[in-house]
Amino acid sequence: AQRVTQPEKLLSVFKGAPVELKCNYSYSGSPELFWYVQYSRQRLQLLLRHISRESIKGFTADLNKGETSFHLKKPFAQEEDSAMYYCAPPSTLTKSNAGGTSYGKLTFGQGTILTVHP
Amino acid sequence: GAVVSQHPSWVICKSGTSVKIECRSLDFQATTMFWYRQFPKQSLMLMATSNEGSKATYEQGVEKDKFLINHASLTLSTLTVTSAHPEDSSFYICSALTELPSAYTDTQYFGPGTRLTVL
Repeated sequence: AQRVTQPEKLLSVFKGAPVELKCNYSYSGSPELFWYVQYSRQRLQLLLRHISRESIKGFTADLNKGETSFHLKKPFAQEEDSAMYYCAPPSTLTKSNAGGTSYGKLTFGQGTILTVHP
Repeated sequence: GAVVSQHPSWVICKSGTSVKIECRSLDFQATTMFWYRQFPKQSLMLMATSNEGSKATYEQGVEKDKFLINHASLTLSTLTVTSAHPEDSSFYICSALTELPSAYTDTQYFGPGTRLTVL
């Protein structure tokens, strides 16, 4: 089963400081990972995905297969970055033997609450 | 694109009544939708997978007779909390997968959530 672990429940930094939110995965196969963010009173939204290798809102995440990690980083944190961050593998489509399609489920990490102080 | 709505956004009901929550994909078809429950400052807990045209798949520990799920069309899934009790008070979130003609994996799009308070 695809599993991810976010070891830090809470993370506090000051504005302008670098921030790193940790995520470790533990499943076989080619890992594809996502970071989701949930700002206060807003819906959960995709922040970035590994496969696109893009940077969103200054955040980047590099897949390290040796360390089985996908840490989220930003060099200079901003107050508006305060939110709950979730690491997650993708939902996986599978084909049954009968030819039908079943859909896997998204398993979120425990989440990390990031607080950026002024 | 890829907008998911939920209705209502909040609901207050008396203990023992049933409450229906709707989840709609507004601009895409979703064969699969998911229902989550979230407690304050905690992660999302998957309750069930809603499959269009077939029975929902419930996670271990989730009572299927308590949380009825119906995925009647490619754009609508409903969660009915039957005989609600105060312990059912929570934030319920749905998400939807887009149709994938050939891709192996995809992301989910989330609704804004429904705050249920049972008195």
